[in-house]
Amino acid sequence: AQKVTQAQTEISVVEKEDVTLDCVYETRDTTYYLFWYKQPPSGELVFLIRRNSFDEQNEISGRYSWNFQKSTSSFNFTITASQVVDSAVYFCALNSGGYQKVTFGIGTKLQVIP
Amino acid sequence: NAGVTQTPKFQVLKTGQSMTLQCAQDMNHEYMSWYRQDPGMGLRLIHYSVGAGITDQGEVPNGYNVSRSTTEDFPLRLLSAAPSQTSVYFCASSYEELRSPLHFGNGTRLTVT
Repeated sequence: AQKVTQAQTEISVVEKEDVTLDCVYETRDTTYYLFWYKQPPSGELVFLIRRNSFDEQNEISGRYSWNFQKSTSSFNFTITASQVVDSAVYFCALNSGGYQKVTFGIGTKLQVIP
Repeated sequence: NAGVTQTPKFQVLKTGQSMTLQCAQDMNHEYMSWYRQDPGMGLRLIHYSVGAGITDQGEVPNGYNVSRSTTEDFPLRLLSAAPSQTSVYFCASSYEELRSPLHFGNGTRLTVT
């Protein structure tokens, strides 16, 4: 069975601090994709990044970076120099076999305090 | 380019009433789905479709019905609303079933009293 664990339900940081959001996943499939989505207070869900199971390269996009490690089944998300606009709920998701196997974590609510 | 359009944005129903949540996408995506979002439970799949005329159940299908007569539209019907269906509903579409990210509508907040 597929499972995504986001152990941090809520995190508060002061603006300009770095913050890492953890995501641990479980699947028996060898081909899978991992995603991060952002849900700001306005409520919409926005895609941030995708990573497939054969590509363990870390990625940096501006203040955002992602660390994918198959050995620990983790796909963590780091925001450097956080800003108030980063305040949102962040979801990690796993797709290992189509829609029937799309699994979301429960989300991590990040609050960035000015 | 509107993406995924969901209506209505808010809805209040009484127990036993029925209604349809509308979803339309203009990206020519074959794959569409409905999720519900509840506190502490993330997003859970209700129903999905891999193309016009083809639908299937997700994790929490009971009390909901769907149809896919065109590529663009994927309405979700609540047959007889119950308080347990109070939730935020999201429609999503994607280009492929496995590797494509989901494009979400803006959500419908439904309250059943």
